[in-house]
Amino acid sequence: RKEVEQDPGPFNVPEGATVAFNCTYSNSASQSFFWYRQDCRKEPKLLMSVYSSGNEDGRFTAQLNRASQYISLLIRDSKLSDSATYLCVVNIANAGGTSYGKLTFGQGTILTVHP
Amino acid sequence: DGGITQSPKYLFRKEGQNVTLSCEQNLNHDAMYWYRQDPGQGLRLIYYSQIVNDFQKGDIAEGYSVSREKKESFPLTVTSAQKNPTAFYLCASSIGLAGKGTQYFGPGTRLTVL
Repeated sequence: RKEVEQDPGPFNVPEGATVAFNCTYSNSASQSFFWYRQDCRKEPKLLMSVYSSGNEDGRFTAQLNRASQYISLLIRDSKLSDSATYLCVVNIANAGGTSYGKLTFGQGTILTVHP
Repeated sequence: DGGITQSPKYLFRKEGQNVTLSCEQNLNHDAMYWYRQDPGQGLRLIYYSQIVNDFQKGDIAEGYSVSREKKESFPLTVTSAQKNPTAFYLCASSIGLAGKGTQYFGPGTRLTVL
């Protein structure tokens, strides 16, 4: 089983739609969670961190469910410029439960927003 | 401007040759990382360094080597022992442990072995 799993999509949605991505992680000792965005042939950039209480940044809402070990990203009122690959990223602790600075990336979910 | 630079952007290599990819950051970050990305796949960690003169193997270190002689620089050498080196290579840095600090990525180097 992969440490971080995402539905690769692609998701094709019209402008203005609401779309949600899910991501599951296998290590219950995981400590930190992020969503990164990667445009075609570019480097990943942090979209938002994910907190236990859930957090929102404009049209983007991230949720964390530790009990079920999944993370979600909701995009409301999709724009053409939202078209990208969305990477779920987890900081997985070592056997001692401490973070040692390694992020594990999911394979990404491709989103295409069309007019 | 503060950031991470990688050079070259595109690199072509003949089989059997070693090649070194450059990564420089002026963000004063302690930690630096090298990842490899293949089409349709997530990033996989090659090597990382939390401090000058120290580095650790990641998940796919075989066929690669690194050095960290300066805080700002973390070059990656792809050796002839790497069996499938054609990929997109990304360098990243963070203030400290990744869990407490975001990783910032350079623009990447696309390596093609001919």
